[in-house]
Amino acid sequence: DAKTTQPPSMDCAEGRAANLPCNHSTISGNEYVYWYRQIHSQGPQYIIHGLKNNETNEMASLIITEDRKSSTLILPHATLRDTAVYYCIVRVAETSGSRLTFGEGTQLTVNP
Amino acid sequence: DTEVTQTPKHLVMGMTNKKSLKCEQHMGHRAMYWYKQKAKKPPELMFVYSYEKLSINESVPSRFSPECPNSSLLNLHLHALQPEDSALYLCASSQAQKQGNYGYTFGSGTRLTV
Repeated sequence: DAKTTQPPSMDCAEGRAANLPCNHSTISGNEYVYWYRQIHSQGPQYIIHGLKNNETNEMASLIITEDRKSSTLILPHATLRDTAVYYCIVRVAETSGSRLTFGEGTQLTVNP
Repeated sequence: DTEVTQTPKHLVMGMTNKKSLKCEQHMGHRAMYWYKQKAKKPPELMFVYSYEKLSINESVPSRFSPECPNSSLLNLHLHALQPEDSALYLCASSQAQKQGNYGYTFGSGTRLTV
């Protein structure tokens, strides 16, 4: 699976958009970009994933550049409850039981 | 039911004890996973079960013994653990689809202290 690079920490004001970047310059054509987050002392939570196109769901939007070498997770109106470690993961689709490997992630702190 | 349930939430054990961690899901997922997470570090994969068969063992010491008795249950049997095994143990499940593009659902974990 391709390696990802994320900033170790970011701050965001409550109510503003949080834009979390991820670089994955060695991504292959069949690899997906996944985002998870982990709120303190809880299990990771799936947020969103994409292959080529931009994606949006009730939690966030995922913007993938045309060359697929980087992506941005957008939380449109951050709240204090969005304070968490955010993990960007790139992985190839495998047959049953895929290996999901976490990097160091970005600690997002939403400030009042 | 869209949850993965892990029990117990906290466990303290001595180095000579035998204990088990339990994980349960009723989402029809056919792949289940154990992860270990040390403080301030990302989760690390330990085992993967697919259709109740062990498919990945990430070179985990034999004092950790996984078991998948049926498609809804996953156990992790612990024996003769070391203090460095103290960590948060996370269970997850996912659809075992060929495309592999479904998100994982994680439980809240068992906080283990040895």
